[in-house]
Amino acid sequence: KAGVTQTPRYLIKTRGQQVTLSCSPISGHRSVSWYQQTPGQGLQFLFEYFSETQRNKGNFPGRFSGRQFSNSRSEMNVSTLELGDSALYLCASSLGTDGTDTQYFGPGTRLTVL
Amino acid sequence: AQKITQTQPGMFVQEKEAVTLDCTYDTSDPSYGLFWYKQPSSGEMIFLIYQGSYDQQNATEGRYSLNFQKARKSANLVISASQLGDSAMYFCAMREPYTGNQFYFGTGTSLTVIP
Repeated sequence: KAGVTQTPRYLIKTRGQQVTLSCSPISGHRSVSWYQQTPGQGLQFLFEYFSETQRNKGNFPGRFSGRQFSNSRSEMNVSTLELGDSALYLCASSLGTDGTDTQYFGPGTRLTVL
Repeated sequence: AQKITQTQPGMFVQEKEAVTLDCTYDTSDPSYGLFWYKQPSSGEMIFLIYQGSYDQQNATEGRYSLNFQKARKSANLVISASQLGDSAMYFCAMREPYTGNQFYFGTGTSLTVIP
């Protein structure tokens, strides 16, 4: 089975721009979660989508949004980029059916905001 | 209160020795899952091992074992026979149905294996 894929792997943007990151989950997985990882704040949960619905949301401003498509692929959008948005963005997928199934992560998208 | 606490920011271990990475958790939910992930410098989070709250025995996966002490709310990762490739960040995580199955991660422990 193919793992979680994320595109692009690296991205450089300037302040004020917007960016869209993509995540394709493992086949059969219906839950996709997004995380932001920075040296200062560590790993922070952004949101989780399950069957095209946002099921959980972290404490991030509205500039961070996401969606999930019927094939479970997910996109994350960040508008009006700020320098502090520079981070590794990780996507993880799981079956999403109960509280004990495992999340598998993609390789991440490294975003640099100049 | 923190859901997951990892008190060791950095650890060193000699190659071929065993090492224990500490993790404590906080939950009121009787049903939960505990996970350990490894993150090498490349950035990808690699799933290592899982322990369910109702599992009677400690989980093992190759050189990895999870020392699960439910009453103490402790889920320490034990790596036996350390290898140079084990040098990485290690994250403990918990998932509980009570909060919508959200994953909670600790701050991580940086492990360095010394040749």
